[in-house]
Amino acid sequence: GAVVSQHPSRVICKSGTSVKIECRSLDFQATTMFWYRQFPKKSLMLMATSNEGSKATYEQGVEKDKFLINHASLTLSTLTVTSAHPEDSSFYICSAREGTDDYGYTFGSGTRLTVV
Amino acid sequence: SQKIEQNSEALNIQEGKTATLTCNYTNYSPAYLQWYRQDPGRGPVFLLLIRENEKEKRKERLKVTFDTTLKQSLFHITASQPADSATYLCAPSNTGKLIFGQGTTLQVKP
Repeated sequence: GAVVSQHPSRVICKSGTSVKIECRSLDFQATTMFWYRQFPKKSLMLMATSNEGSKATYEQGVEKDKFLINHASLTLSTLTVTSAHPEDSSFYICSAREGTDDYGYTFGSGTRLTVV
Repeated sequence: SQKIEQNSEALNIQEGKTATLTCNYTNYSPAYLQWYRQDPGRGPVFLLLIRENEKEKRKERLKVTFDTTLKQSLFHITASQPADSATYLCAPSNTGKLIFGQGTTLQVKP
């Protein structure tokens, strides 16, 4: 089945630095990928839709300049958390869909970001 | 605005029993509804999709119903096992992007 690889799985960074998270579709092409954020014991919050070859579409309330998304190829989307602060610490997850709706969406294993 | 509600309280059941989880939505009419399973520290895993013109869908021990009049989906796990313990998320949708309910945590005790 479809596999989405997310890297790194865990990252600790200092306040003020930037962190890049990669999301790859391993065995299928994904023109669209989605980025979510999840706080402890809370549900996934959709942050943005990543579109291959064009600008990402951000959900209301998500800072575009803080969370930079680049979808440079049909198998790779990246999320860069710029000038990270402790409040950006969270679990970030990407997803993509192979084929039709009946297959659902495939999610990466997530990235635990801790900003110290 | 669109709202999705799942029972936020954990559901505790005995092994072998049927677990029933509820997903209610308001202020929109989704064309389909998906259910996912999420284990701690992991990404969600797709389980089932049901369309608005389908009343019921089954997959092994799983059964999903979709009542567009009540604006509700029920998710059943029959003959539950401790390995079924996880958080279950519903996502009613009209578009390509998924918006999730807060999830219901199921605990199956041996």
